[in-house]
Amino acid sequence: QKEVEQNSGPLSVPEGAIASLNCTYSDRGSQSFFWYRQYSGKSPELIMFIYSNGDKEDGRFTAQLNKASQYVSLLIRDSQPSDSATYLCAVSVNYGGSQGNLIFGKGTKLSVKP
Amino acid sequence: ETGVTQTPRHLVMGMTNKKSLKCEQHLGHNAMYWYKQSAKKPLELMFVYNFKEQTENNSVPSRFSPECPNSSHLFLHLHTLQPEDSALYLCASSQDQGTDTQYFGPGTRLTVL
Repeated sequence: QKEVEQNSGPLSVPEGAIASLNCTYSDRGSQSFFWYRQYSGKSPELIMFIYSNGDKEDGRFTAQLNKASQYVSLLIRDSQPSDSATYLCAVSVNYGGSQGNLIFGKGTKLSVKP
Repeated sequence: ETGVTQTPRHLVMGMTNKKSLKCEQHLGHNAMYWYKQSAKKPLELMFVYNFKEQTENNSVPSRFSPECPNSSHLFLHLHTLQPEDSALYLCASSQDQGTDTQYFGPGTRLTVL
């Protein structure tokens, strides 16, 4: 069974620090990787996607992908209390009739302390 | 968030009731999805429709019945549910099924008594 693993946390960081969220996946053929943010009681909201090895930056967010290690991470610089949420890692599957569908991790709960 | 809407936002039903969840997307997408989100568990894909055709049924019990009359609307018909079906039901859409980004609706919080 294809899986996406995340540390459930909670990950607690002080305001202004860098928060580092990690995700590993089992399907070596996965091609697309997504980070969603989900506030309590709300639906997931897309933050970033990454397709190629290396880093991708968007404002305070940087996604990092290492396909050889089957590892994707999200860095949040200058963390703010408003970043406190659960962060979901999603990975596309690449087999059979489910090709292109997403598998989600359980999410990492981030708490940014003022 | 307004690109994908869901109604109702909250639903309480008994095990013998029949109800329907509705999803509408205003993004011109061709693929629509139903997910179930339970506490302490990852998002579970239930059904996928691409160009109104069902392309995925992820071993979902028959008490859940999807309907997709057109590319903009998706329904989930519910009947004789169990208390363990209580969860947040999320609808999502993407340009096409595949590696395109999925956008989620606000969800329906379902409680089965």
